[in-house]
Amino acid sequence: SYDLTQPPSVSVSPGQTARITCSGDRLPKQNAYWYQQRPGQAPVLVIYKDSKRPSGIPERFSGSSSGTTVTLTISGVQAEDEADYYCQSADSSATYVFGPGTKVTVL
Amino acid sequence: QVQLVQSGAEVKKPGASVKVSCKTSGYTFTTYGITWVRQAPGQGLEWLGWISGSSGYTNYAQMVQGRVTMTTDTSTTTAYLELKSLRSDDSAVYYCARLGGVVGGFDYWGQGTLVTVSS
Repeated sequence: SYDLTQPPSVSVSPGQTARITCSGDRLPKQNAYWYQQRPGQAPVLVIYKDSKRPSGIPERFSGSSSGTTVTLTISGVQAEDEADYYCQSADSSATYVFGPGTKVTVL
Repeated sequence: QVQLVQSGAEVKKPGASVKVSCKTSGYTFTTYGITWVRQAPGQGLEWLGWISGSSGYTNYAQMVQGRVTMTTDTSTTTAYLELKSLRSDDSAVYYCARLGGVVGGFDYWGQGTLVTVSS
């Protein structure tokens, strides 16, 4: 099976920048997606196709890709950004996989 | 607006089956697929499979292959997930989500259905 790797946690002060990485061998060839999940809620798509932002998602959320690593950046972090963040991608046969998730704590 | 509304919580005994529904509205059902994801208590997201809204083609995750069946009813724009031979580690919140289109990811999600497997 195909694995994605994320750091378990990231801590950031309000107004600072949080960066969450996701690594996987197939990321150079497959799109990556990022989801935010607040406690007790369904996930929300915040970045699609590596770096595109769905309508309604604040501009402080951005995505980038370099080699086997994709990065979700939250600029000017706000208290409401405290959540779990999951990266997701696919293998060549439309089988999808999630990373283990990163808990973002706003200090 | 796009909505996915799931059926209510279920409690099942080990070995039983469960069928969860996902009623969609606000978009052309056959233009997108539906994917299913589950989340055990305190754990991460786990992809279970997806079904095409037009052809009924399915692709299941290996870990549930043989126990899972995903279907759709285009007349009611509803998707279904059936999981058989339930075990305690199947206890989780099960989510449906819309798949495909320009975005290509899981862009709209249902509210989740809690399935508890307990004797």
